[in-house]
Amino acid sequence: DSGVTQTPKHLITATGQRVTLRCSPRSGDLSVYWYQQSLDQGLQFLIQYYNGEERAKGNILERFSAQQFPDLHSELNLSSLELGDSALYFCASSPQAWDETYEQYFGPGTRLTVT
Amino acid sequence: GENVEQHPSTLSVQEGDSAVIKCTYSDSASNYFPWYKQELGKRPQLIIDIRSNVGEKKDQRIAVTLNKTAKHFSLHITETQPEDSAVYFCAASRVRDTGNQFYFGTGTSLTVIP
Repeated sequence: DSGVTQTPKHLITATGQRVTLRCSPRSGDLSVYWYQQSLDQGLQFLIQYYNGEERAKGNILERFSAQQFPDLHSELNLSSLELGDSALYFCASSPQAWDETYEQYFGPGTRLTVT
Repeated sequence: GENVEQHPSTLSVQEGDSAVIKCTYSDSASNYFPWYKQELGKRPQLIIDIRSNVGEKKDQRIAVTLNKTAKHFSLHITETQPEDSAVYFCAASRVRDTGNQFYFGTGTSLTVIP
């Protein structure tokens, strides 16, 4: 157990719908990352938050958005869902300091199926 | 941005043999290189990492080597066991003004044959 939690574990929804994925980082970690992993694919970085602020953006679609709340949990919002959005979505946290890189610890993931 | 290439994409070895996975990166300023193991449907788990001020790091049967000049790093697994079968990902990262993005390789599917 990495200490990072994600809910829900599974999500099945229809095209055009909107969903919210939730992540709670490890205690004390200020940085949260979101990744998308499609079937048999690698990890695609979506976005990073640090202490409530957006820090880095990767290949995140405009239909997707995220935020990090004062208690440091984060939510990833996916809207106007398409079949191709079906994937495993991972959240990772890190005790990221502003001037140093630290290891990431991944949550168990949310499997999203769009039908 | 950074580009991380990983080879091979698949690797089969006999139990007890060694396995080597190689990654190259493009950004010479990258300074942190983790390796993750991912079993089917599970989360990626950090197995070893190395920083740019170190050339080699070992943890029991696992070792990572880094060649900064050539911009490549490798994962070495000795005395492989069936439970080592998984997908392994390398990554490169650095702190920059625009954030701290991790760039992942495309993964190596390792099969250890009993």
